[in-house]
Amino acid sequence: EDQVTQSPEALRLQEGESSSLNCSYTVSGLRGLFWYRQDPGKGPEFLFTLYSAGEEKEKERLKATLTKKESFLHITAPKPEDSATYLCAVRYQGGKLIFGQGTELSVKP
Amino acid sequence: DAGVIQSPRHEVTEMGQEVTLRCKPISGHNSLFWYRQTMMRGLELLIYFNNNVPIDDSGMPEDRFSAKMPNASFSTLKIQPSEPRDSAVYFCASSLPPLLSGNTIYFGEGSWLTVV
Repeated sequence: EDQVTQSPEALRLQEGESSSLNCSYTVSGLRGLFWYRQDPGKGPEFLFTLYSAGEEKEKERLKATLTKKESFLHITAPKPEDSATYLCAVRYQGGKLIFGQGTELSVKP
Repeated sequence: DAGVIQSPRHEVTEMGQEVTLRCKPISGHNSLFWYRQTMMRGLELLIYFNNNVPIDDSGMPEDRFSAKMPNASFSTLKIQPSEPRDSAVYFCASSLPPLLSGNTIYFGEGSWLTVV
C-alpha cells in the first residue's frame, strides 16, 4: 500500500538550533516528492520538489534531500518565523498526490 | 496570477442542508484536485480531474459527495445532505500537465465548513 510517514509529529526548537524532519515513503512509480509549508488558517505553500535519489534543493534556511526511501528537510539556524506545519507529499504514476500527517515545528526566540 | 480561488472561505450550515464549495483553478492548469483536511486524518485526496474529466474519485467518502468540472476554469464540490462529520477544511488545488510543470500542485486558501 502506498504510504507516506513523517516524523516527528511535533518538534520544538530554540532559535538557532538546527534540526531535521523526516519523510519516509513506500510508493511505486515515484513521480516526485514535495515539501509544503502550512501556516494556521492557510493552504499548503509549495517549497520543493525532488525527483531522484541524491537530489538536493535549498531555499534560505531550508534544505531538502532525497534517498530511495526517504527525504529529509534540514532546517539550519531556524527563526521564529519558520514555525509552521511542514508537509511531505508523494506524487506517483497515475497522478495522485499523497500527503503525510505533517510535522508541527515551533521555534522559540 | 491570482492563484487558486475558493469560495466560500467559511460556511456554517445545519445538518441535512446542501453545501456547495467552488473553485477557480490557476489559468492554464489542466489538473484540479479536491482535498479534505481534518486533525484526525490530515490531508485526504477526494477526487482529481484532468482536462475536466474525473480521473480518480476513490477518495470521495460516500454518495453524499459529488464533484463536477463543467469547464477548465470552474469546479464544484457538493455535499447533500451534509452531516456534522463533514466538518473540515476543503482545499482545491491545481497544476499544469506534469511534463511541463514538474508536477507542482498549488493550493487555494481552503473552505472552512462547519456542520451543526
